[in-house]
Amino acid sequence: AQSVTQLDSHVSVSEGTPVLLRCNYSSSYSPSLFWYVQHPNKGLQLLLKYTSAATLVKGINGFEAEFKKSETSFHLTKPSAHMSDAAEYFCVVSEGSGTYKYIFGTGTRLKVLA
Amino acid sequence: GAGVSQSPRYKVAKRGQDVALRCDPISGHVSLFWYQQALGQGPEFLTYFQNEAQLDKSGLPSDRFFAERPEGSVSTLKIQRTQQEDSAVYLCASRNSGTDTQYFGPGTRLTVL
Repeated sequence: AQSVTQLDSHVSVSEGTPVLLRCNYSSSYSPSLFWYVQHPNKGLQLLLKYTSAATLVKGINGFEAEFKKSETSFHLTKPSAHMSDAAEYFCVVSEGSGTYKYIFGTGTRLKVLA
Repeated sequence: GAGVSQSPRYKVAKRGQDVALRCDPISGHVSLFWYQQALGQGPEFLTYFQNEAQLDKSGLPSDRFFAERPEGSVSTLKIQRTQQEDSAVYLCASRNSGTDTQYFGPGTRLTVL
């Protein structure tokens, strides 16, 4: 069965410093992996996705993630945090067959300090 | 429409009342999903439709939860005899099969008093 583990429930960074949000996955086959962002009282917005093409995936708002099969990781990074990046971030694995339902991590709340 | 819409955005119910939550998916999306997001948690799968067929309802927490999509477009999630533990945000998503990407609505925040 597929699963994802987000290693940090809260991350705080200063504005202008790098962001690293960690995610490890478990899957019996090559998975589809996603990062979504959820701002307060807003819907989930897709940041980026990995679907077995390039291992380094670039998303919106300067975010990117690298798929590392040997480490079963899909960490999200951004070179320089902006105040508007403060939100909840979810790492997601798609079941990939059958229903293609999403399995979400527990989320990482990113705080950006001025 | 341009995205997935849900109504109402907020619903307050007294314990024991029935509620109905509506989802309008992106036009042309065959697959539709419902998820439940408890406070401080990630969303959890409830049920899945392909067109009008409900192919997976393994995530529905009890027989008080019922979902339908009679014409393969709009879907309704119904909760009978609501309980306090049903308080959560209910998210609807429709899937672009070509890109294996789900697009989410803003959610309905249900509060059961």
